[in-house]
Amino acid sequence: EAGVAQSPRYKIIEKRQSVAFWCNPISGHATLYWYQQILGQGPKLLIQFQNNGVVDDSQLPKDRFSAERLKGVDSTLKIQPAKLEDSAVYLCASSPSTGGYEQFFGPGTRLTVL
Amino acid sequence: DQQVKQNSPSLSVQEGRISILNCDYTNSMFDYFLWYKKYPAEGPTFLISISSIKDKNEDGRFTVFLNKSAKHLSLHIVPSQPGDSAVYFCAARGGATNKLIFGTGTLLAVQP
Repeated sequence: EAGVAQSPRYKIIEKRQSVAFWCNPISGHATLYWYQQILGQGPKLLIQFQNNGVVDDSQLPKDRFSAERLKGVDSTLKIQPAKLEDSAVYLCASSPSTGGYEQFFGPGTRLTVL
Repeated sequence: DQQVKQNSPSLSVQEGRISILNCDYTNSMFDYFLWYKKYPAEGPTFLISISSIKDKNEDGRFTVFLNKSAKHLSLHIVPSQPGDSAVYFCAARGGATNKLIFGTGTLLAVQP
């Protein structure tokens, strides 16, 4: 079974530029999560989708971050414009159902904002 | 407000000995607790979990203990192996959407 795929693996941008990350979850998994992991901290949930609907986006900075999950499969997370404090690893995870405690994580995208 | 805390940033143990990783939480409404393991440049992988109605769960070399009165859980690894060297995250599930809240992680180094 293929795992969660993410791209790119690394991205370096200047502040105020925009960036997009892509995630393809495990086939058949209805729930998709985007996490932000800042160095020295644990992953923090940014947004949770159930199929193509948003379940929780309470910690998503909506003035600069946006995410979509078209057709309930893969998803993109965008930052526009980026700030220095957005430097982090962005992790995508999926699970068969909402609140499924076993979430399967992708390798992450390491973003550096200069 | 950090609801899940791992107060030890790092731990070093000898191969073959026991590793004990600790986690404290503040929200008594959490219903599941999980441990994830993370190697460098990889995403976290699920290791073991425990329901809030239990006090112990065992899976091979890994055992998780839950003390609800103290709002404390621990992960025991016996015997520890060099391949266990990784960052271990404690996570708790709760809230209306059952989201996971992670601790800051503990870096375990198992010395050969």
